[in-house]
Parts: sequence; C-alpha cells; structure tokens
Amino acid sequence: GQNIDQPTEMTATEGAIVQINCTYQTSGFNGLFWYQQHAGEAPTFLSYNVLDGLEEKGRFSSFLSRSKGYSYLLLKELQMKDSASYLCAVRDRSSNYQLIWGAGTKLIIKP
Amino acid sequence: EAGVVQSPRYKIIEKKQPVAFWCNPISGHNTLYWYRQNLGQGPELLIRYENEEAVDDSQLPKDRFSAERLKGVDSTLKIQPAELGDSAVYLCASSPSGVPYNEQFFGPGTRLTVL
Repeated sequence: GQNIDQPTEMTATEGAIVQINCTYQTSGFNGLFWYQQHAGEAPTFLSYNVLDGLEEKGRFSSFLSRSKGYSYLLLKELQMKDSASYLCAVRDRSSNYQLIWGAGTKLIIKP
Repeated sequence: EAGVVQSPRYKIIEKKQPVAFWCNPISGHNTLYWYRQNLGQGPELLIRYENEEAVDDSQLPKDRFSAERLKGVDSTLKIQPAELGDSAVYLCASSPSGVPYNEQFFGPGTRLTVL
C-alpha cells in the first residue's frame, strides 16, 4: 500500500534551522514534492526530488534517499513568515501518477 | 500571469442541498485537478482532467459527486445531495499537459460547511 508519515507539529526559533522529515512507502515512486501551506491558503510548490541527494533553493533545501524511503526539508535562517504547514507528497506510477499526500507538519516559529 | 481562480470562496448549506464549485485554471494548462482537503490533512484527489477527458476519477464518490470540464478550460464540481461529512476545503489545481509534470498550481479553494 501507500503511506506517508511526517510529524504533526514542530516548533523552532526565529533565525534557527529546522529539519522536517518525511518517510514514505509506495510501489511506484516517481518523485517527491514539498509544498508550503499557510493557514487558510492554498499549497504552494517548494521543491521536487526524483534522484537521491540534496536540492538547494535559497533558504530551503530538500533531501531524498530512495533506498530508505526518506526525505527531509531543511529550512535555514527561519523567519516568522515560515510559520505554516509543510506537506510532503509522493508521485506514484502505480496510481496513475497521482500525488499521494502526507497530512502535513505544522511549523510554529517563535521569536 | 493570473493564477487559478475559484468561486465561491465560502459556502454554507444545509444537508441534502446541492452545491457547485467553479474553477478557471491558468491559461494554457491542460491538466486540471479537483482535491478535497479536510482540516489537518493533506489534499485528496477527487478527479483529474486532461483537456476535456477525466483520466482519473477513481476517488470521486460518484453517487453524489459529479464534475465536468466543457471545452477543456473551466471546470465545475457538483455535490448533490450534500452530507455533513462533505464539509471541507475543495481545491482546484492546474498544470501544463504531459505526465509527469512537476508543479501543480493551486487555487485559493472553496470552504464548504454543511449544516
């Protein structure tokens, strides 16, 4: 079956670094996505990984290990505006290339 | 570039009433998705269109939900009759054609409350 796990909630301090983990099980892995969703708003695309390794984009980086079914999103120099939910989603070939979504990790930034 | 447009933004209805949501995707995006998102959960795909064709509707509750995408642009999602459990945010997203493509662009969603 398909399963995506990520922590429900995390708290971090402004200016610090936080790592949000995501583990997945899927039979037809075809890419992993991270989206950001502020409360009451639509998800917005952050990153995409299909090969193992680290993808860096400004303050945000995303890592993938396909053999371990594991990804993380790393946020550096945290700002108050980074308070949001972070959704991990896996594209699955065996499900007609659907995105299978995790429940999201609510990140709370404190001053 | 205009984003994905959805209306209405909010809808409150009584159970057993019908309701419809409208979506206008980004110009040139041939793929359109309807998702349902419950509080504290990730989006759940209801239906995916490639132009006018519904290519994945396996998770659409067809006894009460219907969707159409006439002319391969705008789309409408309907629920008739609505049930209490249908309360959720209904998100529309679009992406350029071709599978697989990387990024989906989401609209602001319609928050449905069924009383």
